[in-house]
Amino acid sequence: GDQVEQSPSALSLHEGTGSALRCNFTTTMRAVQWFRKNSRGSLINLFYLASGTKENGRLKSAFDSKERYSTLHIRDAQLEDSGTYFCAAGMSNYNVLYFGSGTKLTVEP
Amino acid sequence: DPKIIQKPKYLVAVTGSEKILICEQYLGHNAMYWYRQSAKKPLEFMFSYSYQKLMDNQTASSRFQPQSSKKNHLDLQITALKPDDSATYFCASSMGDAETLYFGSGTRLTVL
Repeated sequence: GDQVEQSPSALSLHEGTGSALRCNFTTTMRAVQWFRKNSRGSLINLFYLASGTKENGRLKSAFDSKERYSTLHIRDAQLEDSGTYFCAAGMSNYNVLYFGSGTKLTVEP
Repeated sequence: DPKIIQKPKYLVAVTGSEKILICEQYLGHNAMYWYRQSAKKPLEFMFSYSYQKLMDNQTASSRFQPQSSKKNHLDLQITALKPDDSATYFCASSMGDAETLYFGSGTRLTVL
């Protein structure tokens, strides 16, 4: 909701290129998760971070609680990376997650 | 195989009726949640349960009542349905507090 601002709302990449998605938070968050919504509408977990960075294949995420932001970097984008990506963050009570509005990624040949 | 099962996937209801959305998780998790996504809005937290007890409730209306008959079940009963209740309702679970949440594929509710 208002606690999370996600950008860009839409992104188009050519195969093999890369870019970054970003979420800014209006308050200090305890941890952040990144998801991708697949074609069936399921939210697929990508990362959970309480601090620092994590990398998984062509995806890398960073979270800075003090500076109130998180990023998701995609490199060497593939067609199957297309979908809508969401960040979600929780404050001291992490069970209540605040979601961003999503980034619709389209990877083109 | 999906580990969080939500049923039904699609649901159409008339205004004023009552429906129950089903959620079962087979991840062995202790905490379960309901989130809602209305058209063109981000997912919004509704309820969280831990060991079958209500932990957080950010749903203003008492028409929404979670029901937990077993540790791995958290159904959502919605009474006196209104068109504004139309949304996709997502169930989620986690092992414990402050841990990674896993989401089901949602139930898309349309109230006519």
